[in-house]
Amino acid sequence: DVKVTQSSRYLVKRTGEKVFLECVQDMDHENMFWYRQDPGLGLRLIYFSYDVKMKEKGDIPEGYSVSREKKERFSLILESASTNQTSMYLCASTSGSTADTQYFGPGTRLTVL
Amino acid sequence: AQSVTQLGSHVSVSEGALVLLRCNYSSSVPPYLFWYVQYPNQGLQLLLKYTSAATLVKGINGFEAEFKKSETSFHLTKPSAHMSDAAEYFCAVSGDSASKIIFGSGTRLSIRP
Repeated sequence: DVKVTQSSRYLVKRTGEKVFLECVQDMDHENMFWYRQDPGLGLRLIYFSYDVKMKEKGDIPEGYSVSREKKERFSLILESASTNQTSMYLCASTSGSTADTQYFGPGTRLTVL
Repeated sequence: AQSVTQLGSHVSVSEGALVLLRCNYSSSVPPYLFWYVQYPNQGLQLLLKYTSAATLVKGINGFEAEFKKSETSFHLTKPSAHMSDAAEYFCAVSGDSASKIIFGSGTRLSIRP
C-alpha cells in the first residue's frame, strides 16, 4: 500500500520561529508537492520538486522554502513563522506523468501564535 | 491558464438521495480532470479521473463523473447518498507543467438522516 507520511499532525509555534515540516513517500516518486489548505480557498501550491535538489515555486511561495536532499523526503521550511501562516499543510507525491494520481499525506495543522 | 470552478461550497442531501457536485473547468489544452475526496482529519484521496478515454468515468464508492467538452464541465454524481459520503470534495484540472494540477475551492457534502 502506498504511503505518504508527514512528521506531525498538529504543531503549535510562536511568531518568528523557524518551522520544519517533513514529508516522506515510499513509492519512489519523482515529484513531490507542498500545498496549503484554507477554508474556501481549496489547495494552493506552495512549492514542488521534480527531482532531488530540484524545486520550483508554486502559486504562493512567499515566506516558505523547501529542501529535497533525498528522493523520498521533501521538507517545507517557514524561515520566520507568522500568524498568517496558520493553516493546514498537505504533502503529495506522484510519478512523472500529469495524468497520474497524486498521493497525499494526512496533513499537518500548524498554528502560529 | 487552467482553472476550476466548483459551484456551491456546501451541499446537503438526504440519505438515499442523488448527489450532484458541480465542476466547470477552463483549459487551453485537452485536460486531465480529477475528483478527490477528503474525509475529516485525513488527506485527499483520488475518487476518479478523466484522461481522454471514456467520457463517463466510474470511481470508487459508487461515484461517477461525465466529461462534457461542450459545457466544459465534469460534474460528480452518485445515485444514492450514504452517511459515509459526508466529506469535502475537490475537483482538479491538469496544469501547464508536468504533474501540476489546479484544485477548485472544494464542496463540503453533508448527508441528512
